[in-house]
Amino acid sequence: EVQVVESGGGLVQPGGSLRLSCAASGFTFSSYWMGWVRQAPGKGLEWVANIKQDGSEKYYVDSVKGRFTISRDNAENSLYLQMNSLRADDTAVYYCARRPAAMTHFDYWGQGTLVTVSS
Amino acid sequence: SYELTQPPSVSVSPGQTASITCSGDKLGNKYVCWYQQKSGQSPVMVIYEDRKRPSGIPERISGSNSGNTATLTISGTQAMDEADYYCQAWDSSTVVFGGGTKLTVL
Repeated sequence: EVQVVESGGGLVQPGGSLRLSCAASGFTFSSYWMGWVRQAPGKGLEWVANIKQDGSEKYYVDSVKGRFTISRDNAENSLYLQMNSLRADDTAVYYCARRPAAMTHFDYWGQGTLVTVSS
Repeated sequence: SYELTQPPSVSVSPGQTASITCSGDKLGNKYVCWYQQKSGQSPVMVIYEDRKRPSGIPERISGSNSGNTATLTISGTQAMDEADYYCQAWDSSTVVFGGGTKLTVL
């Protein structure tokens, strides 16, 4: 069974840092693009970042460029999102999602982890 | 940047057909997928590559995409279809979501 499980969310002060993790199982992790998508409370979905199978290509939404870094460890079947210089408008549930190679959609999503940026 | 526009809400009576639109410049030249998100749950893909259904998605859910508009159609709408629906496309290596449509089954 395909599973992606996020962790690492919590309360952080503005300007602070947080590292999210996503543990994948039930599929060959190294064969898939992976991504992060967030959803602010009561709002819609917003794509955050994608990373290629081998980590050689990374893409970000403009609002997080220079502050967030996506990475992966294929040996550990894990995806990460390092978030620095956090702002109040980064408050959201962050979802880890799998994207099949050469496809344009996310076919499996985790349950999400909540990040709250507040003093 | 590329934008996708959805109506904020659509209402439908049980058993009737619901149509949710998603508009974007030359959207018909891109693949569109649709996600269903029920209250308090993670999104679930219900349509990919404009009209394909993943395993487990009922045939009464269908999609189309032409010109500047993609459409998600739910036939014989049931109470269990009440949810938020999001369209999504790819543009220049970035992912774009529509603002979402709340489907209410009256």
